[in-house]
Amino acid sequence: DIQMTQSPSSLSASVGDRVTVTCRASQTISTFLSWYQQKPGKAPKLLIYAASGLRSGVASRFSGSGSGTDFSLTISSLQPEDFATYYCQQTYTTPYTFGQGTKLEIK
Amino acid sequence: EEQLVQSGGGLVQPGGSLRLSCAASGFTFGTSWMSWVRQAPGKGLEFVANMNQDGSQKYYLDSVKGRFTISRDNAKNSLYLQMNSLRAEDTAVYYCARLDGSSSGRWLDPWGQGALVTVSA
Repeated sequence: DIQMTQSPSSLSASVGDRVTVTCRASQTISTFLSWYQQKPGKAPKLLIYAASGLRSGVASRFSGSGSGTDFSLTISSLQPEDFATYYCQQTYTTPYTFGQGTKLEIK
Repeated sequence: EEQLVQSGGGLVQPGGSLRLSCAASGFTFGTSWMSWVRQAPGKGLEFVANMNQDGSQKYYLDSVKGRFTISRDNAKNSLYLQMNSLRAEDTAVYYCARLDGSSSGRWLDPWGQGALVTVSA
């Protein structure tokens, strides 16, 4: 199975900060990487698909980059509604594994 | 609006069975791969199963093989997860989701609202 390692596991930041979350795959996955946002008690929501595609309707302050084994999600200027948990997922080969999550908290 | 609405879930004893349903609207269900993902209380996301448009291709997480069955009824725009021989470690919120994709990747969107399955005596 492909292991997905996110870092950091948690992060404290302030409104307006620029934040980057990284995700590393244990083997190459091309651009078969997506990012999700989850708020407490809610279903995850797709933010980024195919490593760098911004889902329609998602704020442009979110961006994704990377290919192969190393990927990142960047929020250019944190807004109050961005405090949530973020997950990466590889869909290169089954089982389609997720990272362990990054909890973004208000400083 | 593309939407998935889930039903089912609840409390079941170890060894028991439960069926989850997921009704799709706003997109062409019959041409979509569909998936189930679960999340144990306080834990991360875990991909459970998926299937292609006509059911000829199915994938299961090793720990649920032989116990869970993913199925669909394209005439009813509905996806199902039949869960048998349930164990305490199957306790989780279960989400259905469409598995969309291109030559550059695959992704889950949209997601259902989730259904809590609690396995306990």
